[in-house]
Amino acid sequence: GQQVMQIPQYQHVQEGEDFTTYCNSSTTLSNIQWYKQRPGGHPVFLIQLVKSGEVKKQKRLTFQFGEAKKNSSLHITATQTTDVGTYFCAGPNNQGGKLIFGQGTELSVKP
Amino acid sequence: GAVVSQHPSWVICKSGTSVKIECRSLDFQATTMFWYRQFPKQSLMLMATSNEGSKATYEQGVEKDKFLINHASLTLSTLTVTSAHPEDSSFYICSARAPLAGGLTGELFFGEGSRLTVL
Repeated sequence: GQQVMQIPQYQHVQEGEDFTTYCNSSTTLSNIQWYKQRPGGHPVFLIQLVKSGEVKKQKRLTFQFGEAKKNSSLHITATQTTDVGTYFCAGPNNQGGKLIFGQGTELSVKP
Repeated sequence: GAVVSQHPSWVICKSGTSVKIECRSLDFQATTMFWYRQFPKQSLMLMATSNEGSKATYEQGVEKDKFLINHASLTLSTLTVTSAHPEDSSFYICSARAPLAGGLTGELFFGEGSRLTVL
């Protein structure tokens, strides 16, 4: 079945270092979404990418959607302790409607 | 953004009892809500799609008689874990799409989640 894979599973960085998480889908996606879940919290929507090769920025966060619309990345520049949490990518399944989530990348930031 | 509220946040129950979790869309009408289950350090596993006024659609491997879903109105969906056992202990989260911005494949708004512990 359709799968969304995400790596790495964990990433520990020193505050100020950069961080990247990668997302790959087994099928072409109509869009890719990114969510952040703080420890003990619920997922919160960050962004949606729709176009092939699209790049969007939110302050220190840069999101990219691959040309083939099967992969995506999230890059955080100069991490801060407030960036701590698990970042999930998600894409709609082939029938539409349902979102398939990646396994998530847990980011910890050492001050 | 749209607000989805979930209640209760925490629940502890004895094995064999049933627990009801409510999910409400506070500022929009949601014809479809999604129920997820999340184990510690793991991803979100879709359990079922809740459709207003009709039966829920369950994912493969999810027991519909154990996880009863009712979506009686456009702003409320409930998940009842029947005859709960310790292995049902988990974090249950509901979500919905805002009807205008979300379309059919747009962003999801999640409730705060309900952490169930079955003793």
